[in-house]
Amino acid sequence: DAMVIQNPRYQVTQFGKPVTLSCSQTLNHNVMYWYQQKSSQAPKLLFHYYDKDFNNEADTPDNFQSRRPNTSFCFLDIRSPGLGDAAMYLCATSLRSGTDTQYFGPGTRLTVL
Amino acid sequence: QKEVEQNSGPLSVPEGAIASLNCTYSDRGSQSFFWYRQYSGKSPELIMFIYSNGDKEDGRFTAQLNKASQYVSLLIRDSQPSDSATYLCAVIAAGNKLTFGGGTRVLVKP
Repeated sequence: DAMVIQNPRYQVTQFGKPVTLSCSQTLNHNVMYWYQQKSSQAPKLLFHYYDKDFNNEADTPDNFQSRRPNTSFCFLDIRSPGLGDAAMYLCATSLRSGTDTQYFGPGTRLTVL
Repeated sequence: QKEVEQNSGPLSVPEGAIASLNCTYSDRGSQSFFWYRQYSGKSPELIMFIYSNGDKEDGRFTAQLNKASQYVSLLIRDSQPSDSATYLCAVIAAGNKLTFGGGTRVLVKP
């Protein structure tokens, strides 16, 4: 089945220790997104790629970076996680553009100790 | 004013009844509207999308869109305990950015 896969599903890191979350997709979608969702809040867009074109949200902290080495994979790097970065990180994809339906992966739950 | 607004709930519904969820949005130029279901600790799952004014039905779910009044609603017929979740309304407006409401928590009681 075509799908969006996120690894790991649960990640525990220490305060200030860099962490990388990964997302892969077999849908062959052009657009990939990273969202942050904290408890009882709506998902918040961090950044997205139209193919290789990177788009950063204005309020995304510099502590968050992303890489998309190819169509299938996208990574979220948190350079120095703080306690406030503990959240669910959601990867989503859409077919061609930002107006297309977005499909979400299962998410990675990040805990910062 | 939030761009997409929903009543946070909880909306308590007896099993077998109709659950009615509402969502309003501020950008009159919004083009695409989505309902996602999110179980606790899980990721959002697409239930329905709607682009045109009127009703769209899919199984027990009906989405209703009224662009003039800037609201979109979701009806869940014959509600089941498995429908207990948070329902997120999401809108694509200017800039092609998907904006979520805060979600409505639904509790279906047997």
